Amino acid sequence: EVQLVESGGGLVKPGGSLRLSCAASGFTFTNAWMSWVRQAPGKGLEWVGRIKSKIDGGTTDFAVPVKGRFIISRDDSKNMLYLQMNSLKIEDTALYYCTTAPISPAYFDLWGRGTLVTVSS
Amino acid sequence: SYVLTQPPSVSVAPGKTARITCGGNNIGSKSVHWYQQKPGQAPVLVIYFDSDRPSGIPERFSGSTSGNTATLTISRVEAGDEADYFCQVWDSGSDHHYVFGTGTKVTVL
Repeated sequence: EVQLVESGGGLVKPGGSLRLSCAASGFTFTNAWMSWVRQAPGKGLEWVGRIKSKIDGGTTDFAVPVKGRFIISRDDSKNMLYLQMNSLKIEDTALYYCTTAPISPAYFDLWGRGTLVTVSS
Repeated sequence: SYVLTQPPSVSVAPGKTARITCGGNNIGSKSVHWYQQKPGQAPVLVIYFDSDRPSGIPERFSGSTSGNTATLTISRVEAGDEADYFCQVWDSGSDHHYVFGTGTKVTVL
């Protein structure tokens, strides 16, 4: 079955850190560009960052609000994607989705159910 | 930063046609993708590359682009189409990369 399953969300204090994981299955993870997209409660979708496939360089890019604080990595041997979130702010509170499109990097046709991150004192 | 503007809400009677617009500077030069999101669920891709439909998406969903506006059209609207809809572009040449529209809540009367 083709799926993405996120985990690792929870409650964290401002300034704290959290690492999210995403387990991929059912498609060729090695070739996929993987992204994280978040959705604050009652708000719209916001792209967080992306990691290219290793064959395309394996580089990462981030949205301006998280650049310098978040790190994306991947373990192709385990079909796993990670999001390391540091120096968390209250405004980082959101449901974080792992997403990709195995065929094209331009859009997202495979989504996980998301994992909730709450930043609060 | 690049902004995609959508109307906050659209209301439509069952069986009628709903049109959801997505405005952005020179959007006609970019590929536009559309997502449907029902409460408590992850987004679902309904249109990609302006007008292509993924398998499993009804033909009632169609997309088009003209000038500075992209449009998602839902024909013969059903109660099950009630959801939030987001447009999205991939701006690979800038820091913005992936940009989502502000979202439109479609209400079926």
